[in-house]
Amino acid sequence: EAQVTQNPRYLITVTGKKLTVTCSQNMNHEYMSWYRQDPGLGLRQIYYSMNVEVTDKGDVPEGYKVSRKEKRNFPLILESPSPNQTSLYFCASSFVGQGSGELFFGEGSRLTVL
Amino acid sequence: RKEVEQDPGPFNVPEGATVAFNCTYSNSASQSFFWYRQDCRKEPKLLMSVYSSGNEDGRFTAQLNRASQYISLLIRDSKLSDSATYLCVVFRSSASKIIFGSGTRLSIRP
Repeated sequence: EAQVTQNPRYLITVTGKKLTVTCSQNMNHEYMSWYRQDPGLGLRQIYYSMNVEVTDKGDVPEGYKVSRKEKRNFPLILESPSPNQTSLYFCASSFVGQGSGELFFGEGSRLTVL
Repeated sequence: RKEVEQDPGPFNVPEGATVAFNCTYSNSASQSFFWYRQDCRKEPKLLMSVYSSGNEDGRFTAQLNRASQYISLLIRDSKLSDSATYLCVVFRSSASKIIFGSGTRLSIRP
């Protein structure tokens, strides 16, 4: 089954404790991206990757890191989480040539930073 | 000003009604346009692409007006299951940017 898998789905952590949210896709997509969704602000892009070893900042990259060592995986790293990073996070993937339009999303990871 | 703007709603309409949403975009270099549907606390899913000639999929019709820089979504004979948030999505290949609107909440009442 074609899917994007995120883990963990839910996490409560404390300020400053490093965490990683994993994202894996099995569709051989070149393009992968991370978004955060907050009430009233919609989906905002954190980082994206056009292919292995190619990553770029989105609109809200501060406080986050990513890596793309393999095509299927695109982990999101919060080196020192802060309460303003409490949010719902989505990973998505697509074929390059995004005019085809369809982004496939993971089920989301709800993160709370105390 | 946001690059993609939508009326947040909520739109509360009776079952069977016709409802329409608009979405405006500010960057004329935008190339591709889409409507996504998002159910509460779930991931967004593609509803339909939007073409200049307009396109229809069952009860759903999408239109693009490049001159006025807006896209629209029309839902006819609305069903309870249409209750969701509808996200307008704009793509600019020159910047490899996919921009989401904040979404319009639709609630269909029996």
